[in-house]
Amino acid sequence: DAGVTQSPTHLIKTRGQQVTLRCSPKSGHDTVSWYQQALGQGPQFIFQYYEEEERQRGNFPDRFSGHQFPNYSSELNVNALLLGDSALYLCASSRTSGGPGGNIQYFGAGTRLSVL
Amino acid sequence: GDSVTQMEGPVTLSEEAFLTINCTYTATGYPSLFWYVQYPGEGLQLLLKATKADDKGSNKGFEATYRKETTSFHLEKGSVQVSDSAVYFCALAPSRQLTFGSGTQLTVLP
Repeated sequence: DAGVTQSPTHLIKTRGQQVTLRCSPKSGHDTVSWYQQALGQGPQFIFQYYEEEERQRGNFPDRFSGHQFPNYSSELNVNALLLGDSALYLCASSRTSGGPGGNIQYFGAGTRLSVL
Repeated sequence: GDSVTQMEGPVTLSEEAFLTINCTYTATGYPSLFWYVQYPGEGLQLLLKATKADDKGSNKGFEATYRKETTSFHLEKGSVQVSDSAVYFCALAPSRQLTFGSGTQLTVLP
């Protein structure tokens, strides 16, 4: 049973460029969440997708957008990259059952984005 | 808003020592509480969880008890191993998102 997979593993971009990160959820999961983890810090919630819609969003600018596909996979897009966007981007999947707070989120290994 | 405060690291212990990593939280309602572990170059793995007051989560020798009266969820292990070296994150989930602490780096020396 494959876990959460993310691609690419590493990415180098320059300021002002746009980037797309991809995530395939664990089998049987229908919800995908994205987190940004700066070096030496805990992950920060970006947004969550369920039924192809953004269900909840953290405190991130509109430059961060996403999409969920019918097969539950997801993309994170970041426009007009800034140096401060350099981080590890983590995708987590879960199953929407059991009520709020009861869902366990399983994480992928992440995509390391470097903005030069 | 909701927040998690973790014991600052790094923490260095000798093998077989007792481990405690403190975690306190601020939240409205009754959030679920989690400990995640991150090994070098990897994503986060769920270590244990507790969903209501007085619940004790346990896994791989690690334990943590949901203490509502002290708003705490301290992680403990009686005898650490070199393989436990990693970064440990305390997190809460009052709703669908996880809110993490800043992490505690643990190094266990042989």
